[in-house]
Amino acid sequence: EVQLVESGGGSVQRGGSLRLSCAASGFTFDAFAMAWVRRAPGKGLEWVSGVNGNGEKTYYAASGKGRFIVSRANSQNTLFLQMNSLRVDDTAVYYCAKTGNFDILGGYYTSFEYWGQGTLVTVSS
Amino acid sequence: NFILTQPHSVSESPGKTVTISCTRSSGNIARDYVQWYQFRPGSFPTTVIYKGFERPSGVSDRFSGAIDYSTNSASLTISGLQTGDEAEYFCQSDDSSSVVFGGGTTLTVL
Repeated sequence: EVQLVESGGGSVQRGGSLRLSCAASGFTFDAFAMAWVRRAPGKGLEWVSGVNGNGEKTYYAASGKGRFIVSRANSQNTLFLQMNSLRVDDTAVYYCAKTGNFDILGGYYTSFEYWGQGTLVTVSS
Repeated sequence: NFILTQPHSVSESPGKTVTISCTRSSGNIARDYVQWYQFRPGSFPTTVIYKGFERPSGVSDRFSGAIDYSTNSASLTISGLQTGDEAEYFCQSDDSSSVVFGGGTTLTVL
């Protein structure tokens, strides 16, 4: 059974940093790209970032480019999102998601097969 | 990039059938696969349709997906509605550089 458990969310002031983690189990972790998707209060879903199966290729939405860093530790079946220079509009529930392919975008279709329960990040001014 | 537009909300009675649309603003809807996700309060988000019309194992065959080339839209149809189907549904696709979600549709089963 696939399980994705996020942690690391919390409250931080504008300009601060947080590191989210996602512990994965129930599948061959390094065979699949992983991603972060967020949902701001009262808003829809927004893709944040993705990383391919071996961690060599990373992808970012414009909103996080230059501030967020996605990485993975395949030996620990864990996905990370380092978020720096946080802004109030980064406030959201952040979901970890397993994709259906080794990579995403650029010729691979991107689907989010499994999701975690989400972790809340609150950025105050 | 393109935009995926969904109706904000739909409602229907138990046992009936409802269809949720997802219209792509530019580019051929069939060019990139469309997925549908269900968000229910208190539950993990789940995939109900992938690659336009494929259903993951464990998802009821009451859920089906389709493409309408005339309106450049994807659709999610849920038949035999149950109160447990009440949720938000999001469509999703991608181009070569970014992932795009629709704004979400709240389904109410009256």
